[in-house]
Amino acid sequence: EVQLVESGGVLVQPGGSLRLSCSASGFVFGAYAMHWVRLAPGKGLEYVSAISSSGDKTYYAGSVEGRFTVSRDNFQNTLYLQMNSLRTEDTATYYCVKETLRQDQLRSGLDYWGQGTLVTVSS
Amino acid sequence: DIVMTQSPLSLPVTPGEPASISCKSSQSLLHTNKYIYLDWYLQKPGQSPQLLIYLASNRASGVPDRFSGSGSGTDFTLKISRVEAEDVGVYYCMQALQRPFAFGQGTKLEIK
Repeated sequence: EVQLVESGGVLVQPGGSLRLSCSASGFVFGAYAMHWVRLAPGKGLEYVSAISSSGDKTYYAGSVEGRFTVSRDNFQNTLYLQMNSLRTEDTATYYCVKETLRQDQLRSGLDYWGQGTLVTVSS
Repeated sequence: DIVMTQSPLSLPVTPGEPASISCKSSQSLLHTNKYIYLDWYLQKPGQSPQLLIYLASNRASGVPDRFSGSGSGTDFTLKISRVEAEDVGVYYCMQALQRPFAFGQGTKLEIK
């Protein structure tokens, strides 16, 4: 059974830093690209970041570029999101998400989502 | 960056009736491999989002066949043939052609 378990969400002051972790199990972690998506209170889903299966390519939404860094440890089956210079507008539930591929290697969506971890940025 | 626009933002539906959600992208989502890189997701109340449709028209595993996706280029539609009470939640389209990906604003489906 595929499981994605996020951790690290806490209350932090504006300007502070935080590292989120996502522990993965039930699949070959190193074979799939992984993503972070967030849901702010009263808002819609916002795409945050992605990392390739090997970790050599990373991508960021404009709203977090230069402040957030995504990384992964394929030996520990763990995805990370380092969040610096946090702003009140970063307050959200952060989801760790797996991207899947069909047998013909075509991407076939973001098929597994964690339960999310809440980050609150407030003074 | 590609911008996604959904309509309507709110959709009250009577059980048993059909429902339709529109999604438009600021650029074509047609990949060089001829597939359309557009997904649909549903976030039910209190739950994490779930994948409904990928590559514009392919139902994900376990998704009921009352859900269907269509469209080409920049205009896409999610249709529910007969809405059931369990379909309530917020529906999102997402472009997956260019990274970073991007979601539409979401369409909240509620039961009348």
